[in-house]
Amino acid sequence: SQTIHQWPATLVQPVGSPLSLECTVEGTSNPNLYWYRQAAGRGLQLLFYSVGIGQISSEVPQNLSASRPQDRQFILSSKKLLLSDSGFYLCAWSVLGSTGELFFGEGSRLTVL
Amino acid sequence: RKEVEQDPGPFNVPEGATVAFNCTYSNSASQSFFWYRQDCRKEPKLLMSVYSSGNEDGRFTAQLNRASQYISLLIRDSKLSDSATYLCVVDHYSNYQLIWGAGTKLIIKP
Repeated sequence: SQTIHQWPATLVQPVGSPLSLECTVEGTSNPNLYWYRQAAGRGLQLLFYSVGIGQISSEVPQNLSASRPQDRQFILSSKKLLLSDSGFYLCAWSVLGSTGELFFGEGSRLTVL
Repeated sequence: RKEVEQDPGPFNVPEGATVAFNCTYSNSASQSFFWYRQDCRKEPKLLMSVYSSGNEDGRFTAQLNRASQYISLLIRDSKLSDSATYLCVVDHYSNYQLIWGAGTKLIIKP
């Protein structure tokens, strides 16, 4: 069966520090991968998606970046965090060509102080 | 106007009651519609897709009204375990552009 893991689950970072969140998927090949952010009281915001190794599309210009070094690995990074980067970050995958069913990781709760 | 709008609630409902909530969407070209469930501080999980003719899954019924551009979710015989936030999701043109509502919080009381 397919599983998705992301880490760390919780982190508190000072403004200006770097960030790295990692996500891995098991049990499937060539998945679509996504990074979302959920702010309190707001809908999920798509940050990045990827249809293959090295292929990243950005939905929202910001100080975050994403990389997909391997088929089932997706990384979200920042060189310098802002206060506004605080939120609940969710990695997700879907089957290529599927329409709407996303499988989410457990989420990473980031607080920037 | 937001692309996908939901009443944030909370809806406080006694156990065993029936509850319904709607979600409106702004893009008439939207093709696919979904309800996700999100427990507190957890990741969202797909509850059900919404089909044009309406569909049912156990105690849950989803309906689509294209003319008025809304989808609805009805929960019958509500259980304590139904307490969660229900997210409305609309697919505009591709899987990559799912638009998420902010969610409706449901609290089932014993």
